[in-house]
Amino acid sequence: NAGVTQTPKFRILKIGQSMTLQCTQDMNHNYMYWYRQDPGMGLKLIYYSVGAGITDKGEVPNGYNVSRSTTEDFPLRLELAAPSQTSVYFCASSKLYSEIGNTIYFGEGSWLTVV
Amino acid sequence: GENVEQHPSTLSVQEGDSAVIKCTYSDSASNYFPWYKQELGKRPQLIIDIRSNVGEKKDQRIAVTLNKTAKHFSLHITETQPEDSAVYFCAASLGGYQKVTFGIGTKLQVIP
Repeated sequence: NAGVTQTPKFRILKIGQSMTLQCTQDMNHNYMYWYRQDPGMGLKLIYYSVGAGITDKGEVPNGYNVSRSTTEDFPLRLELAAPSQTSVYFCASSKLYSEIGNTIYFGEGSWLTVV
Repeated sequence: GENVEQHPSTLSVQEGDSAVIKCTYSDSASNYFPWYKQELGKRPQLIIDIRSNVGEKKDQRIAVTLNKTAKHFSLHITETQPEDSAVYFCAASLGGYQKVTFGIGTKLQVIP
């Protein structure tokens, strides 16, 4: 299994441009997430999905959109990029609902700079 | 919602010494507490976790303790090695819903 794969790894955007970060997982996980990581600020949840067709906002959703048309894919859309969106973005996934908690598997990260 | 506080934010230890990272959480319903290690430029990866029905768990040189009453949990690394240098994140979640809240991270430096 490749696990969680996200692209691109690096991208420079100009203010006002839009782009989509792609994410796919081959572990048949129902839960998928997008986090952003700012220096010294930990991991903040942007959006998450509990299954195909279902998405919900996390802590910092403004300026982003997501969709979940299949179990495998969970793209993150940035509309009208702003310098505040300069960050490292991690896509992640985990198994179905569990009473006892499940491991979150992260992608390798996407370094995005908005100039 | 859940709030996880983690300290210290940075920690330097001599090789061979022990390191302790502490976290507190706010939601008494949280029942799953994982720890992730993130090496420089890499993705976070799970190193150990503990469920609320357990007070302590060990895996070789790392151990986690949980005090549900005080809503504290800690990561202990013994006999530290240079390869332990990384950022460590604690997290808390209500297991079923998988909405994991992360702490701010602790940058551990092990000095050879």
